[in-house]
Amino acid sequence: DAGVTQTPRHEVAEKGQTIILKCEPVSGHNDLFWYRQTKIQGLELLSYFRSKSLMEDGGAFKDRFKAEMLNSSFSTLKIQPTEPKDSAVYLCASSPLGGIDEQYFGPGTRLTVL
Amino acid sequence: SQWGEENLQALSIQEGEDVTMNCSYKTYTTVVQWYRQKSGKGPAQLILIRSNEREKRSGRLRATLDTSSQSSSLSITGTLATDTAVYFCATVNNAGAKLTFGGGTRLTVRP
Repeated sequence: DAGVTQTPRHEVAEKGQTIILKCEPVSGHNDLFWYRQTKIQGLELLSYFRSKSLMEDGGAFKDRFKAEMLNSSFSTLKIQPTEPKDSAVYLCASSPLGGIDEQYFGPGTRLTVL
Repeated sequence: SQWGEENLQALSIQEGEDVTMNCSYKTYTTVVQWYRQKSGKGPAQLILIRSNEREKRSGRLRATLDTSSQSSSLSITGTLATDTAVYFCATVNNAGAKLTFGGGTRLTVRP
């Protein structure tokens, strides 16, 4: 079975640009998560979907970050406009049944904002 | 915050040694999951231990959970250089929906 796929693996953006990161979850999984990972803050939850419905939009992240789940097999994370502090690794994960179950992570997208 | 010790900790040991990593949490959880993240990869689950279990083993791994002190540990016996990674513990929120990850332990196993 295919795992979680994320594209692109690396992204370089100028400050103020709009970028879209893509994620394909494991087929049949009901839950999808977007995380941001930095050395200082660690893993922070950005968004959480259950059966394509947005359950959590990440609080402090929601002004410039927008995650969507267009169908059960594809999700995007849009950052608009980007700022240098957004430089991080963005991870997508999916899970059959949510937190009590294992989360399967993609390899991540490393974003650098200049 | 859910976590006690949040900062990324670092350990460096020689191959073949045993190691134990600890984490503590502040609020009730039904499970603790341990993940490993190797360089350039996403985290991968190693072991899940439920609140009614005190210990769980998987190969060279052993996880413990003490709900009274709200702490968990992960031990690796006979470490290999390939165990070099960052290890995270994660707890589940009240709704049982999402995980909250601790700061992690960076383990380096020298060959």
